[in-house]
Amino acid sequence: DQQVKQNSPSLSVQEGRISILNCDYTNSMFDYFLWYKKYPAEGPTFLISISSIKDKNEDGRFTVFLNKSAKHLSLHIVPSQPGDSAVYFCAASEGGQFYFGTGTSLTVIP
Amino acid sequence: KAGVTQTPRYLIKTRGQQVTLSCSPISGHRSVSWYQQTPGQGLQFLFEYFSETQRNKGNFPGRFSGRQFSNSRSEMNVSTLELGDSALYLCASSLVPEKTGTEAFFGQGTRLTVV
Repeated sequence: DQQVKQNSPSLSVQEGRISILNCDYTNSMFDYFLWYKKYPAEGPTFLISISSIKDKNEDGRFTVFLNKSAKHLSLHIVPSQPGDSAVYFCAASEGGQFYFGTGTSLTVIP
Repeated sequence: KAGVTQTPRYLIKTRGQQVTLSCSPISGHRSVSWYQQTPGQGLQFLFEYFSETQRNKGNFPGRFSGRQFSNSRSEMNVSTLELGDSALYLCASSLVPEKTGTEAFFGQGTRLTVV
């Protein structure tokens, strides 16, 4: 059973606009949430994370929001750039065990 | 500091054969996890090793096995390969897996093609 879900397999956004990637989870015991970015033929690279005790974490153009009551996580990228085009995976952790979503392919159109 | 190294990068095998993939974690990292990535399935967890012991296992058949050595390097083996085993196999290492706030760092993966 998929404990972390990314229901949008793909997303297209104009350069300069905001990209919003969404993620839902089912396990209320998850205590740490992460976003990874993956280019073709490369392994995922860590992007940004958030602890379950927070509801927002910001790092430059990237902001992650956590809504624990809704068990929902989102990644905002603003402004979006063509180099952001990649597959984004959300992940949740419980006791160090990582659970990944199926990924959302983001295309930023110049 | 060297990252996670996976070898080989690419592999072509025939159905029925077996294959062994290797992963060297970041120096000092003792937890190594393996994932299978296929289109539409995301990252499927295979197993996790810590201090040479398998601590967690995903929902994969017994054809998939692994081990970890005393230097934390890990190998993954798939026996009696099937066409559906074609995928990108990713290895990730982490420093203190039980500690909240620990990220997993991935290697570049091994692209396995079964023909």
